Amino acid sequence: DSGVTQTPKHLITATGQRVTLRCSPRSGDLSVYWYQQSLDQGLQFLIQYYNGEERAKGNILERFSAQQFPDLHSELNLSSLELGDSALYFCASSVLSGEAFFGQGTRLTVV
Amino acid sequence: AQSVTQPDIHITVSEGASLELRCNYSYGATPYLFWYVQSPGQGLQLLLKYFSGDTLVQGIKGFEAEFKRSQSSFNLRKPSVHWSDAAEYFCAVEGSNYQLIWGAGTKLIIKP
Repeated sequence: DSGVTQTPKHLITATGQRVTLRCSPRSGDLSVYWYQQSLDQGLQFLIQYYNGEERAKGNILERFSAQQFPDLHSELNLSSLELGDSALYFCASSVLSGEAFFGQGTRLTVV
Repeated sequence: AQSVTQPDIHITVSEGASLELRCNYSYGATPYLFWYVQSPGQGLQLLLKYFSGDTLVQGIKGFEAEFKRSQSSFNLRKPSVHWSDAAEYFCAVEGSNYQLIWGAGTKLIIKP
């Protein structure tokens, strides 16, 4: 158990809908990262938050947004969903840099 | 640009045989390098990391990796694989904003 909790584990939704993925980092970790894993793109960094502030952005679509709350949990919001958004979404946390601990992921299926 | 290359998409090894998974990176400064393992339907677990110092690093589950700056490589090795090692292995380098830049992964298949 990495100490990072992601909910839900599975999500099936229709195109055009909006979903929210939730992540609780390890106790004491201030940094949260979101990654997307798909068959065609592999593992891609989406966005990073550190202590409530956005720190870095990767290949995140404009339809996607995230935030980190004062209790350090984070949410990734995906809107106007398309079939191609079907993927495994991982959250990871770390103190700042170095070793990142990953959650089990949320498998999103858009139908 | 920072990048990681894992040239082998699949590798098949007999149980008990030795293993080497290749990883090459492109990074301007001294890299922080990682190997993660992903079992089917699971998250990513850190096997080992290299930050500085001794270029041969030991990890969990009997894995080790050697950092070779001259070859821009960070290959993962295990002297004797077990059926439970069947999984996908990812090499990563830490980018300029602490995010991980990933290789495409190598799927390890173990023959009985």
